[in-house]
Amino acid sequence: DVKVTQSSRYLVKRTGEKVFLECVQDMDHENMFWYRQDPGLGLRLIYFSYDVKMKEKGDIPEGYSVSREKKERFSLILESASTNQTSMYLCASTPGGVDTQYFGPGTRLTVL
Amino acid sequence: SQQGEEDPQALSIQEGENATMNCSYKTSINNLQWYRQNSGRGLVHLILIRSNEREKHSGRLRVTLDTSKKSSSLLITASRAADTASYFCVPMDSNYQLIWGAGTKLIIKP
Repeated sequence: DVKVTQSSRYLVKRTGEKVFLECVQDMDHENMFWYRQDPGLGLRLIYFSYDVKMKEKGDIPEGYSVSREKKERFSLILESASTNQTSMYLCASTPGGVDTQYFGPGTRLTVL
Repeated sequence: SQQGEEDPQALSIQEGENATMNCSYKTSINNLQWYRQNSGRGLVHLILIRSNEREKHSGRLRVTLDTSKKSSSLLITASRAADTASYFCVPMDSNYQLIWGAGTKLIIKP
């Protein structure tokens, strides 16, 4: 079974803090993704990566950055958290050439 | 917006009944995927149907695709309480990007 894990299920941070969300997959997948999910809006793609040290902007990259130093790990960074970044964050991975995505359990981030 | 639109937004049925969810999309697609999300198992892929396919089955799930109408449907037969979840119709466009909508909330009443 593919396993995608995220470092925290729930996180509470203060405005202006730097926030790190970690995602690890154990199946040697090439592609990894970060989404946020808000009520009524579905999932929106923040960043994705097709390989180590590679990153591509998704639909809503503003206010976020990512890091992929190792194939199994994809980190999402909020440089200076703001209240409008309160959301559920979902990480996903997929092998190259495969279209279905495997998701982690999600991190519910609250920024006060 | 290229966002897919699911219909209905919410559906409540009795256990044992069939549930049908529909979606429409606006762009040409490579494939269309259905995902389920509940609090227990998170977001999970259910089934993928390619643009040259019209119907696909997986257990109690039946998916249809009509590319001329840019629409798809998901039928769950003999529903169970464990089917209570949000269901997402997710087209993959010609750039291999997944297009997520807001989903259909399905509630199965015992």
